[in-house]
Amino acid sequence: EAQVTQNPRYLITVTGKKLTVTCSQNMNHEYMSWYRQDPGLGLRQIYYSMNVEVTDKGDVPEGYKVSRKEKRNFPLILESPSPNQTSLYFCASSSWASAVTDTQYFGPGTRLTVL
Amino acid sequence: SQQGEEDPQALSIQEGENATMNCSYKTSINNLQWYRQNSGRGLVHLILIRSNEREKHSGRLRVTLDTSKKSSSLLITASRAADTASYFCATDVGFQKLVFGTGTRLLVSP
Repeated sequence: EAQVTQNPRYLITVTGKKLTVTCSQNMNHEYMSWYRQDPGLGLRQIYYSMNVEVTDKGDVPEGYKVSRKEKRNFPLILESPSPNQTSLYFCASSSWASAVTDTQYFGPGTRLTVL
Repeated sequence: SQQGEEDPQALSIQEGENATMNCSYKTSINNLQWYRQNSGRGLVHLILIRSNEREKHSGRLRVTLDTSKKSSSLLITASRAADTASYFCATDVGFQKLVFGTGTRLLVSP
């Protein structure tokens, strides 16, 4: 089954404790992206990647890192999480390098709480 | 402010009625997409309309695009309880960037 998976689905952590949210897709998509969703603000793009070893900042990249060493994986790293990073995070992928013209497939989401 | 803003923010209807939600945006776009999100879950792509198209249909969905007014509408005909969800428009503004609106929450009561 074609899908985007994220782990963990739920995470409660404390300020400053490094964490990684994994994202994996099995559709051989070139384009992958991370979003955060906050009430009243909709989805905002954090980082995106057009292919292996190619990443770029979205609208709200501060406090986040990403890497794209393999085509299928696009982990989101919070080196020193803070309470304002409490949010619902989504990973998405699509099939073209200039892929926003194509359908994006979303993962199930990771609900992160930073105390 | 948001590139894409949906209107209304919330909509409550009965099963069988039609639901219409609107999206306004600010800059030129290559295309506009509509997504559905069931409570707290991932978004699911519904339909894409390109900037040179005016109307598109998919099953019970009808999307219109008016680039002169920078607006789009999503019509769901003969709504069902299973259509209860949040609906988002997303605009492709170029530079590999897809900008989402804040969404319309639709409640369809049996």
